[in-house]
Amino acid sequence: AQRVTQPEKLLSVFKGAPVELKCNYSYSGSPELFWYVQYSRQRLQLLLRHISRESIKGFTADLNKGETSFHLKKPFAQEEDSAMYYCALSGGGGTSYGKLTFGQGTILTVHP
Amino acid sequence: EAEVAQSPRYKITEKSQAVAFWCDPISGHATLYWYRQILGQGPELLVQFQDESVVDDSQLPKDRFSAERLKGVDSTLKIQPAELGDSAMYLCASSLWGPSYEQYFGPGTRLTVT
Repeated sequence: AQRVTQPEKLLSVFKGAPVELKCNYSYSGSPELFWYVQYSRQRLQLLLRHISRESIKGFTADLNKGETSFHLKKPFAQEEDSAMYYCALSGGGGTSYGKLTFGQGTILTVHP
Repeated sequence: EAEVAQSPRYKITEKSQAVAFWCDPISGHATLYWYRQILGQGPELLVQFQDESVVDDSQLPKDRFSAERLKGVDSTLKIQPAELGDSAMYLCASSLWGPSYEQYFGPGTRLTVT
């Protein structure tokens, strides 16, 4: 079974401070990991995926297979980063092909 | 820019009534997903279609929920009869086929069962 855990439901930081949203996963194979974001009054959308190894809006995430983690980081938070963030996992085959398993989400609030 | 469409956006129904939700995916997306999101939790997959075929409905409560995608394009999710515990946001998403492809989400249908 695949599982995603986001231990923090709420995270508050001040503008310009570093931010790290934690994500741990459980999966027996080689997973695809994603971060999805939902800004206020907008639909859920992809922020980044580990396979792309890219930085989006200053955010990065590194897959650590040893610690089964995929933490999302940004060195200097901005007020527009305030949103709900979901870590998600996609299994690589079988009936789980393409299916996303989401964590419970972390609400990030960046104060001015 | 193409988007996933869903209707209705809000639905209030009484317990034991039937309710249906509609989703129109992005053109060319063979894979369509229905998720349920209970307040305070992440989305949970109910059913996944590849074209018109169901590839995963392991979490769909089949005694009361049904889903179809007859022509492999738009899709309908039905609940009959609705129960109080079905109150949630129902999200539709679509993507190209494969585990690494981005899923594009619709705005969701907020269901309240009274």
